[in-house]
Amino acid sequence: AQSVTQPDIHITVSEGASLELRCNYSYGATPYLFWYVQSPGQGLQLLLKYFSGDTLVQGIKGFEAEFKRSQSSFNLRKPSVHWSDAAEYFCAVTSGTYKYIFGTGTRLKVLA
Amino acid sequence: SAVISQKPSRDICQRGTSLTIQCQVDSQVTMMFWYRQQPGQSLTLIATANQGSEATYESGFVIDKFPISRPNLTFSTLTVSNMSPEDSSIYLCSVEGGGGLFYGYTFGSGTRLTVV
Repeated sequence: AQSVTQPDIHITVSEGASLELRCNYSYGATPYLFWYVQSPGQGLQLLLKYFSGDTLVQGIKGFEAEFKRSQSSFNLRKPSVHWSDAAEYFCAVTSGTYKYIFGTGTRLKVLA
Repeated sequence: SAVISQKPSRDICQRGTSLTIQCQVDSQVTMMFWYRQQPGQSLTLIATANQGSEATYESGFVIDKFPISRPNLTFSTLTVSNMSPEDSSIYLCSVEGGGGLFYGYTFGSGTRLTVV
């Protein structure tokens, strides 16, 4: 069965520091992979997605993610974090149906 | 991509009562989805609602507990019936984000439900 693991429940970084949020998935074939962000009191917003092709994908708000098949990972990165990036981040996977499997989320705190 | 208005944004309800959550989309969509986000947990798909047909429920969710209506291509409701404290969650509706189901969902802002 498909699964998504986000090993870090909470991460704290200083403003201006780099960020990497981890996501590991379990799926036999090439999955469709997504990162979403949920700001307090808000719904989820799509940051970026990977289907095929270039394994480094660019998203909104300066985020990028790299698909590494050998490691079954799809980690989210940002070179310099802003205070407004404080939110909860969800990785999700689908095999190609409308049923997405979401990770349990990583809550990001940004220190001024 | 579609814009979703979901209401209420939050509510506190007594156990044994029911709450109906509304989801309005600014464009016509074929499929609408209802998710539950329990405290400290991930999102779980409750059901898929297509206009003109019965909703399709995921394992662990039943129509008597979570009846869904889909009267047209821009609107849906989810009712949480006979509530207990275990139903305290965030409930989210979503639709495909444009370009197809594999291009990501667009989500409403959610309904934060507390059952006391």
